[in-house]
Amino acid sequence: KAGVTQTPRYLIKTRGQQVTLSCSPISGHRSVSWYQQTPGQGLQFLFEYFSETQRNKGNFPGRFSGRQFSNSRSEMNVSTLELGDSALYLCASGAGYDYNEQFFGPGTRLTVL
Amino acid sequence: GENVEQHPSTLSVQEGDSAVIKCTYSDSASNYFPWYKQELGKRPQLIIDIRSNVGEKKDQRIAVTLNKTAKHFSLHITETQPEDSAVYFCATTSPRNYQLIWGAGTKLIIKP
Repeated sequence: KAGVTQTPRYLIKTRGQQVTLSCSPISGHRSVSWYQQTPGQGLQFLFEYFSETQRNKGNFPGRFSGRQFSNSRSEMNVSTLELGDSALYLCASGAGYDYNEQFFGPGTRLTVL
Repeated sequence: GENVEQHPSTLSVQEGDSAVIKCTYSDSASNYFPWYKQELGKRPQLIIDIRSNVGEKKDQRIAVTLNKTAKHFSLHITETQPEDSAVYFCATTSPRNYQLIWGAGTKLIIKP
């Protein structure tokens, strides 16, 4: 079974631009969660989608948004980029509706100049 | 809202010794408690999990214990080895919304 994939793996943007990151979950998984991780920091939860619906949302500004498609692939968008948005963005997929193992992708490394 | 406190933030142990990481949660409805390991430059991976109807679970050198009354759970690693060096995250979730709430992480350093 193929693992979780994220594209692109690396991205360099300038302040004020916007960016879209993509996550393809494991086949059959319906839950996709997004996290922001900065050096030495933990996993900051952005949002979670289940069957195309946003089920949970973290404490990030409205510049951060996401969506999930009918094939469970998910995208995350950040508008009006700020220097502080530089981070590793991880997505994780889960199989079921409730408690289950989260499988993480390799992440997208975003650098904002 | 619900939160998880994880201690210590850094733990340094001699190779072969045991390591214990503790997490305390606030939501009494929490009933799923996973532990993830993130090696340097790699993605987090589940190493062990426990549900609220079980007090302890073991898998070779690692074990997790749960005290529902005190609302805390711990990761125990025995006979530590260099490959145990990593950041360990605890998490919990409840049936209220199935959102995983994460601890801040513990950097485990194994000294040779």
